[in-house]
Amino acid sequence: GEKVEQHESTLSVREGDSAVINCTYTDTASSYFPWYKQEAGKGLHFVIDIRSNVDRKQSQRLIVLLDKKAKRFSLHITATQPEDSAIYFCAARDNTGNYKYVFGAGTRLKVIA
Amino acid sequence: DAGVTQTPRHEVAEKGQTIILKCEPVSGHNDLFWYRQTKIQGLELLSYFRSKSLMEDGGAFKDRFKAEMLNSSFSTLKIQPTEPKDSAVYLCASSAGHNQAPLFGEGTRLSVL
Repeated sequence: GEKVEQHESTLSVREGDSAVINCTYTDTASSYFPWYKQEAGKGLHFVIDIRSNVDRKQSQRLIVLLDKKAKRFSLHITATQPEDSAIYFCAARDNTGNYKYVFGAGTRLKVIA
Repeated sequence: DAGVTQTPRHEVAEKGQTIILKCEPVSGHNDLFWYRQTKIQGLELLSYFRSKSLMEDGGAFKDRFKAEMLNSSFSTLKIQPTEPKDSAVYLCASSAGHNQAPLFGEGTRLSVL
């Protein structure tokens, strides 16, 4: 089945800089990749997704890039703000079987004012 | 719109007790997921329903964990008997279907003494 590796366990950036979180997946058939943000004591909050028919998607300050050849996708947060500090999870939908979601281990992002 | 509702938010149980966690998915969503979240293991899938049919029962969690979905608007997760290692946050999520990101509830934090 699908496996997702999230490369950065922690990330610190200065306010206003960009943050980049990288994930890789194993199943070439995977076609849908959502991203989530989790603040302390809360559930996962959906922030942006990308489907395999495109290689880039932007929503305000969030950009997702998808490289299907390398089986890699990344979240770029531009012009970071202190409220972007949280844990971010990448996920891939497992297409080999019953379409469940597999998550990365999470990246703790700290934006320093 | 109402999101995913989980109750209770916190639960404390003695070892050996039976506990039942509840989840109300977003109205109209056909897919429902139960995940367990711990710092060490991250997000682990416990159960996955599609249109009330069990698609995945989480393998290693079979023996003491049982999720049910008696109707499309309510699901339960029973843990019987509880063990201290079950202490974790239990997350419920629902989705409208393929290529629609699951939306998560706020979770139930379980502590087993």
